[in-house]
This record gives sequence, C-alpha cells and structure tokens, in this order.
Amino acid sequence: AQRVTQPEKLLSVFKGAPVELKCNYSYSGSPELFWYVQYSRQRLQLLLRHISRESIKGFTADLNKGETSFHLKKPFAQEEDSAMYYCALSSGSARQLTFGSGTQLTVLP
Amino acid sequence: EAGVAQSPRYKIIEKRQSVAFWCNPISGHATLYWYQQILGQGPKLLIQFQNNGVVDDSQLPKDRFSAERLKGVDSTLKIQPAKLEDSAVYLCASSPRQIETQYFGPGTRLLVL
Repeated sequence: AQRVTQPEKLLSVFKGAPVELKCNYSYSGSPELFWYVQYSRQRLQLLLRHISRESIKGFTADLNKGETSFHLKKPFAQEEDSAMYYCALSSGSARQLTFGSGTQLTVLP
Repeated sequence: EAGVAQSPRYKIIEKRQSVAFWCNPISGHATLYWYQQILGQGPKLLIQFQNNGVVDDSQLPKDRFSAERLKGVDSTLKIQPAKLEDSAVYLCASSPRQIETQYFGPGTRLLVL
C-alpha cells in the first residue's frame, strides 16, 4: 500500500532563509507526486506537481526515486509562505490521492 | 469561475444522530471526491465519483456512511448514525477528469458530541 510521510509537523524559519519541507513516499509503482498548500482561512490548493517540473512562487521539488523523496524547497522564504503544506501521491487506475499529515510552515519576520 | 461549494460549513450533533453534507462541484467537472480530514492528519479519500458512478469507495465505512451523486452533478454524503470518531472536516473536491488537478471546497467541520 502507498504511504506518504512528512516527518516535520512544524517548521519555522526566518524571512530570507532557505526552507526545505521533507516528504518521503512508499509506493511500488511509478509515482506521481504533488505538493498542496493551505493558507490561513483559504482552501486547499495545488502548489506544484513533479511532472510539470515548474517553479511556483519560488518553490521547487525534485523527485528522487532512489531516496523515495519529494522535498519542497525555496531558497529565500517570505512571510506570505506561512501555511500548511501537504505532500500527496497519486496512484491506482483512478489516480487516487494519498496525503501526508502535513507540515505547518511559519516564516518569521 | 465559481469554486466548489459545500454546505453547511459547520455542524454539531450528538452521537447516534444523522447528518448530511452537500457539495456542488465546479461546472463541467466529471470527477468528484469526498475526503475526511481528522485534526492533525492529511485528507483521506472516502469516495470518488466519475459522473454519477462510483470509481472508488474502498475507504468508506459503508455501515454508517453513504454518498450519492445523482445526475452526475451535486453530491451528498451522509453519516447515520454518527460516532465520536467521525468528528472531522469533510472536504469535497472536483476535477475535470480523474488525472487532472483537484479543486477543493471550503469543507464542512463536523463535531460529534
């Protein structure tokens, strides 16, 4: 069965510092991975997906199949990046999403 | 474009009572999902519809939970009878097709006393 692990429930960094949110997965097939974000009082929304290889709001994430990881990175954190971040894995013929438990990122001024 | 709508936003009931949640997906979206998000956890898929057919309901506790999507548009999720452990946020999401981005509603926060 597939599993997504986000080892840090809480993460605090100072504005301008680099940030990395960790995500590890367990899946026997070919994974498709996503990062979703929920800002305060807003809906859960897609931030980025690995197949698009985009940089969204300065965030990037690289799929490392050897380490089964999909860490989210940003070189210079901003206060508006403070939010809950969820890593998710798409699997099965119906492409169901399995979410991690989330990391609450706080960017301090 | 209007987003996914859900109602009610909040509901408080006593255990063994029944409750129903409603979801209106984005117009034209064929796929609809219901998730349960317990405090401190990520969303867990309960059921997935493609138009008005069920694609996956493997994690739906069918002894007390039921869901339908009549006419392939709106959907309702029902819990009967509710248990304390059903306290959670129930999220509805929709996507144009199964493999595409999911758009989430604001959620219904349920508290079972």
